[in-house]
Amino acid sequence: EIVLTQSPGTLSLSPGERATLSCRTSQSVNSDYLAWYQQKPGQAPRLLLYGASNRATGIPDRFSGSGSGTDFTLTISRLEPEDFAVYYCQHYTTSTVTFGGGTKVEIK
Amino acid sequence: EVQLLESGGGLVQPGGSLRLSCSASGFTFSSYAMTWVRQAPGKGLEWVSAISGDGFWIYYADSVKGRFTISRDNSKNTLNLQMSNLRAEDTAVYYCAKNFATGYAYYEYWGRGTLVTVSS
Repeated sequence: EIVLTQSPGTLSLSPGERATLSCRTSQSVNSDYLAWYQQKPGQAPRLLLYGASNRATGIPDRFSGSGSGTDFTLTISRLEPEDFAVYYCQHYTTSTVTFGGGTKVEIK
Repeated sequence: EVQLLESGGGLVQPGGSLRLSCSASGFTFSSYAMTWVRQAPGKGLEWVSAISGDGFWIYYADSVKGRFTISRDNSKNTLNLQMSNLRAEDTAVYYCAKNFATGYAYYEYWGRGTLVTVSS
């Protein structure tokens, strides 16, 4: 089973700053099968990126993704007030899906 | 507009059973795999089970295998999750989600979730 480790656990930043979130997989994965989600309290997750770097419908271009192999990154270029939330990476295979433990982006 | 609406959550005793349903609309239900994802209070997301559009392929997380059964009724646009032998650690909000496309298990559409509490 592939394990996804997200870091840091919490990121304290101010609006306008750049956020860099990491997702490491326990073995090399195909980046086509790597996605990122945003979740706010009391809400369902929202798909941000799929295929590691493709923005989902309606996602602003301040969100970008990169990476390959075992190291993937979600970058928020300039944090807006609505971006403070928890972010999860996700990997899938034919028969299983794994989520990372999440990174909370909080207001400093 | 795609809509997913879960129902059936509630309080159940350990060892008990519960059946969750997800009513879908706004897309051709039978053409898409569907998934259940859960989230324990204050915790992260955990994939539970998935079923192909025709119901032929079914997958479960190890944590629920043998206790949960996923099914779908394409005539009623409904996804189900029969949960039995429930444990305290099954307490969570259960979300249904629509797979992006065949072979692509990421989720652009989610329901609002239904809370399952397993407690005596």
